[in-house]
Amino acid sequence: EVQLVESGGGLVKPGGSLRLSCAASGFTFSSYSMNWVRQAPGKGLEWVSSISSSSSYIYYADSVKGRFTISRDNAKNSLYLQMNSLRAEDTAVYYCAREDGSGWNNWFDPWGQGTLVTVSS
Amino acid sequence: QSVLTQPPSVSGAPGQRVTISCTGSSSNIGAGYDVHWYQQLPGTAPKLLIYGNSNRPSGVPDRFSGSKSGTSASLAITGLQAEDEADYYCQSYDSSLSGYYVFGTGTKVTVL
Repeated sequence: EVQLVESGGGLVKPGGSLRLSCAASGFTFSSYSMNWVRQAPGKGLEWVSSISSSSSYIYYADSVKGRFTISRDNAKNSLYLQMNSLRAEDTAVYYCAREDGSGWNNWFDPWGQGTLVTVSS
Repeated sequence: QSVLTQPPSVSGAPGQRVTISCTGSSSNIGAGYDVHWYQQLPGTAPKLLIYGNSNRPSGVPDRFSGSKSGTSASLAITGLQAEDEADYYCQSYDSSLSGYYVFGTGTKVTVL
């Protein structure tokens, strides 16, 4: 069974840091680009970051550029998101998602269950 | 902010047909990029519903169908059922300077 399991969320003060992890299983992790997508409480989905299968290509949403760093360890079948200089508006459930498709016409499937990050003093 | 616009809510009685629109622009849907749809049941993670404009993953009922034309796309649900009550999001790629993957604003489907 293809599965993604996020961890590392929690309560952090503004300006603080947090590292999220996503453990993948049931598929050849090293063959897929991976993404982080977030959802603020009661709000819609927002794409955060993408990393290619070999980490050669990395992209960020403008809202997190310069503060967040995506990375992966194919030997450990794991995806990470290092979040620094956190702001209240970063409060959200963070989902990791596998990217599928070809070219730029890609979709996300499956998704993890999500991990909640709360930025508050 | 989302660059793909959806109606905030749609509703229908059981058995009826409802449609959800997803309106983009010349840098995303209008540029020819595919549209994908996700269903998010209350308290759960999003689930892929339609990919490549009109393709259903295995296990998705054929009551769900997607289409795309010009700068817009649509998701149709025929034979509406109580378990279809959820939030639905469209997603595409945006080629503008600050774009990449973009989601729609989301639509809440209520079964009356």
